[in-house]
Amino acid sequence: NAGVTQTPKFRILKIGQSMTLQCAQDMNHNYMYWYRQDPGMGLKLIYYSVGAGITDKGEVPNGYNVSRSTTEDFPLRLELAAPSQTSVYFCATRGLGTEAFFGQGTRLTVV
Amino acid sequence: QKEVEQDPGPLSVPEGAIVSLNCTYSNSAFQYFMWYRQYSRKGPELLMYTYSSGNKEDGRFTAQVDKSSKYISLFIRDSQPSDSATYLCAMSGRNFNKFYFGSGTKLNVKP
Repeated sequence: NAGVTQTPKFRILKIGQSMTLQCAQDMNHNYMYWYRQDPGMGLKLIYYSVGAGITDKGEVPNGYNVSRSTTEDFPLRLELAAPSQTSVYFCATRGLGTEAFFGQGTRLTVV
Repeated sequence: QKEVEQDPGPLSVPEGAIVSLNCTYSNSAFQYFMWYRQYSRKGPELLMYTYSSGNKEDGRFTAQVDKSSKYISLFIRDSQPSDSATYLCAMSGRNFNKFYFGSGTKLNVKP
């Protein structure tokens, strides 16, 4: 039982490149979230999903896209990387209870 | 105005001290109040949650919610070096689709 798995753990992108951050869960949770965490800024919600096929924007969705074709996977797509997207990205899941379970994070640097 | 305000610290205390961490919020629709603990380079983990106003105790930790003042607190008694981490408050409304996080308070407990 791995919980929430994020890949890759680290990545350096050049400005204008694209990439997909992967998030997979094995807890059969309906709710999934993508957050970014900048130093001293807490967690900002990028996108979230309440189930397969359903996604919605969070507080800071610009420059990102998501899809949710299965319960298990919730990839986050960056199309044209910009230095402002340098951050630590966390994927989280939640079942019917109050607790959100977070992955270990992906550290992304855009240069 | 931010949805959730939290003093970023850092807060440095000697071992055995009582620690008080606080958040204020502006949205009166928030009903679920959570505290997450985040160790360096790790994802956040749920520490405690409360529903509506009142107190909740779990070992050395006590969470308080005052909805009339839109103010929540986390108290740590007999603090230990292992408590050194960043503490994030989080809140949600009744539908629980989204969480709103504070910026986090970095705590250092010195031996």
